[in-house]
Amino acid sequence: DIQMTQSPSTLSTSVGDRVTISCRASQSISRWLAWYQQKPGKAPNLLLYEASTLESGVPSRFSGSGSGTEFTLTISSLQPDDFATYYCQQYSSFPWTFGQGTKVEIK
Amino acid sequence: QITLKESGPTLVKPTQTLTLTCTFSGFSLSTVRVGVGWIRQPPGKALEWLALVFWDDDKRYSPSLRNRLTITKDTSKNQVVLTMANMDPVDTATYYCAHVNYYFDYWGQGTLVTVSS
Repeated sequence: DIQMTQSPSTLSTSVGDRVTISCRASQSISRWLAWYQQKPGKAPNLLLYEASTLESGVPSRFSGSGSGTEFTLTISSLQPDDFATYYCQQYSSFPWTFGQGTKVEIK
Repeated sequence: QITLKESGPTLVKPTQTLTLTCTFSGFSLSTVRVGVGWIRQPPGKALEWLALVFWDDDKRYSPSLRNRLTITKDTSKNQVVLTMANMDPVDTATYYCAHVNYYFDYWGQGTLVTVSS
């Protein structure tokens, strides 16, 4: 199985800050990576796929980069609505696997 | 507009078999490359992929749960059914179904299943 490791687990930050979340795969997944945002009590919401392609309707302050084993999700200027938990997920090979999540909380 | 909704029991006893139904609209499971998957999330924990069925009836399972899971599709009813045998309290989680287009682009609202005697 491909292990997905996110860092940090928790990020304490403020509105307006630039936020970077890392996701590392235990072996190369090319660019077959998706990012999701999840708010408490809600289903995850797709933000990006193929590492850097923004899903329709997602604000442009979200961006993704990386390939192979190292990936990054960046929020250019954190908004109040962005406080949530973020997950990466590889769909390069089965079994599909998720990272353990990064909680972005208010400092 | 693609929508999915999970249905099934909210409480099951240990050793029982869980049956969950995902009823969807806005797409057909006979369309090439389309799939429906199941993901679960124990309270306060991370997401875990369970199973997936594609338009051509190709089925994939989490290796750690492979011997307990069965996924089936009914294209005419726009439904996908997941059964999980021999339920245990550690299987208490919110269970989601999701539309697959290489990744999970549309999700159901989820259904909380509690395993307790």
